[in-house]
Amino acid sequence: NAGVTQTPKFQVLKTGQSMTLQCAQDMNHEYMSWYRQDPGMGLRLIHYSVGAGITDQGEVPNGYNVSRSTTEDFPLRLLSAAPSQTSVYFCASSYGGAGEKLFFGSGTQLSVL
Amino acid sequence: DQQVKQNSPSLSVQEGRISILNCDYTNSMFDYFLWYKKYPAEGPTFLISISSIKDKNEDGRFTVFLNKSAKHLSLHIVPSQPGDSAVYFCAASAPGSSNTGKLIFGQGTTLQVKP
Repeated sequence: NAGVTQTPKFQVLKTGQSMTLQCAQDMNHEYMSWYRQDPGMGLRLIHYSVGAGITDQGEVPNGYNVSRSTTEDFPLRLLSAAPSQTSVYFCASSYGGAGEKLFFGSGTQLSVL
Repeated sequence: DQQVKQNSPSLSVQEGRISILNCDYTNSMFDYFLWYKKYPAEGPTFLISISSIKDKNEDGRFTVFLNKSAKHLSLHIVPSQPGDSAVYFCAASAPGSSNTGKLIFGQGTTLQVKP
């Protein structure tokens, strides 16, 4: 059972480039989300989805797009990368119930030069 | 505005002693609190949680205490082991369908357990 799978593990971009961070889960979870982790800031919610076809913004959504066409996949798109988007990105999923724990992927380390 | 705060960036304890990690929050509507543990180059993993209707939850060496009046929770690890060395994140969730699955995290505390 793979859980939450993120690709790639590492990525270096130049300012202005675009890319998609992939996330897939095989636990049939309805809820999926993207977080970024920055030093001294903890994990901050970027976007989330409560089911296929439904997405919404989190705490820091600017510069990112998401879509959820299937229950399993929740890609995160950077349209025009900026140095401020250098971070570690984590995808997570859960059943979405009250107090339900999140399952995290292993992360993508992104550097924007 | 940081709704969940972990004011100690790091903590160092001796193996076998107690580790106490603290977390403060500002939103009295939070109904669940969770602790996550994170090793380098890995994603956070769930450790223990507590509902706001309780004041203590225990799981083996890990105990979480909740003081609602002070808006404060703490994670106790007894006895501490070198394998517990990691970053610990406190997280909280608010009730309601619009908050389903949305956790708000603190900044994290790096715990080092010395052999």
